[in-house]
Amino acid sequence: EADIYQTPRYLVIGTGKKITLECSQTMGHDKMYWYQQDPGMELHLIHYSYGVNSTEKGDLSSESTVSRIRTEHFPLTLESARPSHTSQYLCASLGSVSYNEQFFGPGTRLTVL
Amino acid sequence: AQSVTQLGSHVSVSEGALVLLRCNYSSSVPPYLFWYVQYPNQGLQLLLKYTSAATLVKGINGFEAEFKKSETSFHLTKPSAHMSDAAEYFCAVSEPNSASKIIFGSGTRLSIRP
Repeated sequence: EADIYQTPRYLVIGTGKKITLECSQTMGHDKMYWYQQDPGMELHLIHYSYGVNSTEKGDLSSESTVSRIRTEHFPLTLESARPSHTSQYLCASLGSVSYNEQFFGPGTRLTVL
Repeated sequence: AQSVTQLGSHVSVSEGALVLLRCNYSSSVPPYLFWYVQYPNQGLQLLLKYTSAATLVKGINGFEAEFKKSETSFHLTKPSAHMSDAAEYFCAVSEPNSASKIIFGSGTRLSIRP
């Protein structure tokens, strides 16, 4: 069973705050992904990583940034949150021989007031 | 370029009835295809995947999907709906050697009537 964790699960903050969404996986997967999902909508890839010290922007432009210092950890940071950042953020990871199958964390639902 | 179209943003069926969720894809090479399910306030869980082996793929919770190359379709079915099947379902496509990126459809919300 896939083990991928996201914290916090829910976050309500004020405009202008700096926030970091945590994502960790215990499977030793090299590739990790961040998606943004508005309620009832499709997922949009905003960042991905092939491994340590590798980060790439996804298909949807995002003001967030990511880092990959350790294999198991892929945090996402917003330097100054705005109401337009209100969304659900899903983290995923991929094993090297899994036909591109991604394992998802439970998500972080972010609300910026 | 790869893409996915899910027909019907909302499907409602009676408990015990057939479930059919439609998905069409576009890909320049033989793709990998997936169905994921998302329950409220949760992440996505893989239901089943097609990886160029058998065209009829069986997944968890009694779901199955058939890959039809001539129709570029990968529809999801379940013979008898259960109340616990109510959720959002996403079809997705990925191409080999595509940096392992997956393109998701817009999702279909399945409701089950008692």
